[in-house]
Amino acid sequence: QQQVKQSPQSLIVQKGGISIINCAYENTAFDYFPWYQQFPGKGPALLIAIRPDVSEKKEGRFTISFNKSAKQFSLHIMDSQPGDSATYFCAASIRNNAGNMLTFGGGTRLMVKP
Amino acid sequence: DTAVSQTPKYLVTQMGNDKSIKCEQNLGHDTMYWYKQDSKKFLKIMFSYNNKELIINETVPNRFSPKSPDKAHLNLHINSLELGDSAVYFCASSQAGHSILYFGPGTRLLVL
Repeated sequence: QQQVKQSPQSLIVQKGGISIINCAYENTAFDYFPWYQQFPGKGPALLIAIRPDVSEKKEGRFTISFNKSAKQFSLHIMDSQPGDSATYFCAASIRNNAGNMLTFGGGTRLMVKP
Repeated sequence: DTAVSQTPKYLVTQMGNDKSIKCEQNLGHDTMYWYKQDSKKFLKIMFSYNNKELIINETVPNRFSPKSPDKAHLNLHINSLELGDSAVYFCASSQAGHSILYFGPGTRLLVL
C-alpha cells in the first residue's frame, strides 16, 4: 500500500520554465509534508516543508501548494535551472513519540535543459 | 565536519554472506533511521530507533537487524544476504520532536 503517490515519474523542463511535481496522500493523520532533493550519488536533503495549517509556503524559487481537502500537495520550481536537475521526493509523516518516520513518494527525476 | 557518515560507501558480496554497514552522526540527534532505496529510486523506511524504542517496519525480513552501541551510532547487520537485498541503504538522523531528517551519503550494496 503506497500511502504517498507522486507524479510524474520523470519531467523535462527548459531552462527558465516552471517545474511542477504533484503528490497525493491517503492518511489524514499525516501532519508534516516535506520535499527532499537528491543528486546522483548523494543522500536526500530537505528542500522545503509545509504543515497542513497553511496552504502555501515559498522559499526562493521553490513553492509548496497544499490542499488539505483534496489530500494533495505540489512543488513548483520557478525559473528552473540546470542545477535543479535531480530526483525530488515528496514525503509525509506523523509526529509521534518514537520519532518521525517519513513515508516517501516514488520520486520524480527532473531534468532541466539548458 | 560530516553530519551523517556511513561506511563502507560500496559493498560487493556473495549471496549467503553476513555483512554490516556502519552509521555515525555528529549532530547530537537522538533518533536514527535506516532507509532502503531500490533500483527504481523508491525510498522505504526500515527502522527508526532512539534510546527508548526500536520501531521496525513489519515488511523488513528478520535477517536485517539494527544495533546501536551508543546514541551517535546505528549499525545495520544483514545475515544470509540475498540477491534482492541489492540496493542503496541510507542512514538518517533527527532530533526527537523535530521532523527534519538528515541523510548520510548512502551505502551501495551489490549481492552477487
